Amino acid sequence: LAKTTQPISMDSYEGQEVNITCSHNNIATNDYITWYQQFPSQGPRFIIQGYKTKVTNEVASLFIPADRKSSTLSLPRVSLSDTAVYYCLVAPLGKLIFGQGTELSVKP
Amino acid sequence: DADVTQTPRNRITKTGKRIMLECSQTKGHDRMYWYRQDPGLGLRLIYYSFDVKDINKGEISDGYSVSRQAQAKFSLSLESAIPNQTALYFCATPSERGDQETQYFGPGTRLLVL
Repeated sequence: LAKTTQPISMDSYEGQEVNITCSHNNIATNDYITWYQQFPSQGPRFIIQGYKTKVTNEVASLFIPADRKSSTLSLPRVSLSDTAVYYCLVAPLGKLIFGQGTELSVKP
Repeated sequence: DADVTQTPRNRITKTGKRIMLECSQTKGHDRMYWYRQDPGLGLRLIYYSFDVKDINKGEISDGYSVSRQAQAKFSLSLESAIPNQTALYFCATPSERGDQETQYFGPGTRLLVL
């Protein structure tokens, strides 16, 4: 089963672009890569999903190289409210496996 | 997004007690999920159900059981609670996107087993 690896924590300042990379070396051909955001004492919230190349929505961009063994979530111009834990998710055979998450701290 | 409610929101119980956590959804989704989250760790899947008659074990099902009483309700039971089951429990359904990778999570139930 594919396993994801992310940095445990990252620090940033307001207005900066933040890139969080997730490694998933054993990703299967049919797996999609999905990112979630979680605030304290709340359930995770879907941010973005992709299969290959680049996906962009109103919240973030997701970059996936051709080999799909990693992915990078890009948050443009972060604010204090982006302080949260970000999870990279790969879904093999319908069983969802969350990584340990990256705790992003945005400072003023 | 799906309207997912969980009851209770907080619960304290003692070792050996039976406890049930309930989850309800109003969007008519066939699939429902139960997750557990421990401090500093990601979510781990306990059980999932693809419809009323289709229930599957997740990553950490030992010590738990579930019941899908109706399409809208999915309950998680701890038959004999133990302290290491102290955690935050989330119920989830598919999001409006409809695929199984994007889910909508309920507000969570914080359980403390003494």
